[in-house]
Amino acid sequence: RKEVEQDPGPFNVPEGATVAFNCTYSNSASQSFFWYRQDCRKEPKLLMSVYSSGNEDGRFTAQLNRASQYISLLIRDSKLSDSATYLCVVKGGLDSWGKFQFGAGTQVVVTP
Amino acid sequence: DTAVSQTPKYLVTQMGNDKSIKCEQNLGHDTMYWYKQDSKKFLKIMFSYNNKELIINETVPNRFSPKSPDKAHLNLHINSLELGDSAVYFCATDPKSGVAGARYNEQFFGPGTRLTVL
Repeated sequence: RKEVEQDPGPFNVPEGATVAFNCTYSNSASQSFFWYRQDCRKEPKLLMSVYSSGNEDGRFTAQLNRASQYISLLIRDSKLSDSATYLCVVKGGLDSWGKFQFGAGTQVVVTP
Repeated sequence: DTAVSQTPKYLVTQMGNDKSIKCEQNLGHDTMYWYKQDSKKFLKIMFSYNNKELIINETVPNRFSPKSPDKAHLNLHINSLELGDSAVYFCATDPKSGVAGARYNEQFFGPGTRLTVL
């Protein structure tokens, strides 16, 4: 079983619509959670960290459910520029040199 | 001024050759990483260095040898290249992985080196 699992998509979203997707992780000792964005043939870039109480950054909302071991990302009012692959990242464990574990990504395609 | 740079950007080579990829960061970060992203887009950690010391060494063939001459550089040398080594290799850094308060450290990635082995 992969440590971080994501629905690969693609999620085809009309411009202006809302899209949401989840990511599950297997290590219950994980401490830190992130969403990264990766455009085609580019490097991953941090979109947002995910805090225990959930957090919002503009049109993006992230939630963490520790009991069920998943995090979610919701994008409101989708823009064409939101088309990308969204990588779920889970860090940490009992040791302090927690590795970043990446999911394989969820592809989002926003259409006009 | 690029924060994390990698050279070369593209590398096409024959099976059996030996090649190196270089990474440099000007962020003053202590921790540097090498990741491999294969054709299925899965980004997998290979190595991590903190202050020139190897701290993470995943199950990577010993044909891959990282080297950190100083805190700002982490190079990756690959011997006897195989077809399965074809991938995009990303270098990344973060301020300091192993200290309290580092939970939400962001990782900064280089632009990647696309390696094709023929």
